Amino acid sequence: QSALTQPRSVSGSPGQSVTISCTGTSSDVGRDDYVSWYQQHPGKAPKLLIYDVSERPSGVPDRFSGSKSGNTASLTISGLQPDDEADYYCCSHAGAYTLIFDGGTKVTVL
Amino acid sequence: QVQLQESGPGLVRPSETLSLTCGVSGISITGGSYWGWIRQPPGKGLEWIATVYHSGGTYYNPSLRSRITISVDTSKSQFSLKLTSMTAADTAVYYCAKTPDTSIFLFDLWGQGTMVTVSS
Repeated sequence: QSALTQPRSVSGSPGQSVTISCTGTSSDVGRDDYVSWYQQHPGKAPKLLIYDVSERPSGVPDRFSGSKSGNTASLTISGLQPDDEADYYCCSHAGAYTLIFDGGTKVTVL
Repeated sequence: QVQLQESGPGLVRPSETLSLTCGVSGISITGGSYWGWIRQPPGKGLEWIATVYHSGGTYYNPSLRSRITISVDTSKSQFSLKLTSMTAADTAVYYCAKTPDTSIFLFDLWGQGTMVTVSS
């Protein structure tokens, strides 16, 4: 398994939009649509935000959206709010029902 | 409501075997969900360890496969992880998690995590 790559950090002011990319290969992100995103606040367990590239679980605001093009998946947070300040992780199916996470992106709300 | 609760030793000596258990409540462990373990070294990212189904299907991180045993005890509504030959690099918060009935490729509920330190 090779690592997924994403920016270490992104920032934005309240109300703005930020996009986090997650780049893999044809063996993982580009393989199928089993890409998910998780939000993690400091000291807390991760929370599912997006699954199957662009689906939102019940209760997740529609400010969070996901997409994918080729070997790169993206998470967009619109209307940035102070509570969005957290770490965000991309996760992809990497074949044979194995999973791979990326290194995480810290979102800072200025 | 559905809850997952990890339990384990907290401190493990180098070369020893880590044994962790995840208690499941509010949902049948023999339902459609798969059950998984994920870890996070201090200040670092998440690493998927393994996933198991109650009837025996198991899936392992290739980089850890030789050291892992994951199993389900339906009578106790819990699932377990054993990780052998522990080193300092295995120091991490270990999370247990469940998948939804519809997919093995995501975790929709996580436990609070348990910190495991490897030190002599």
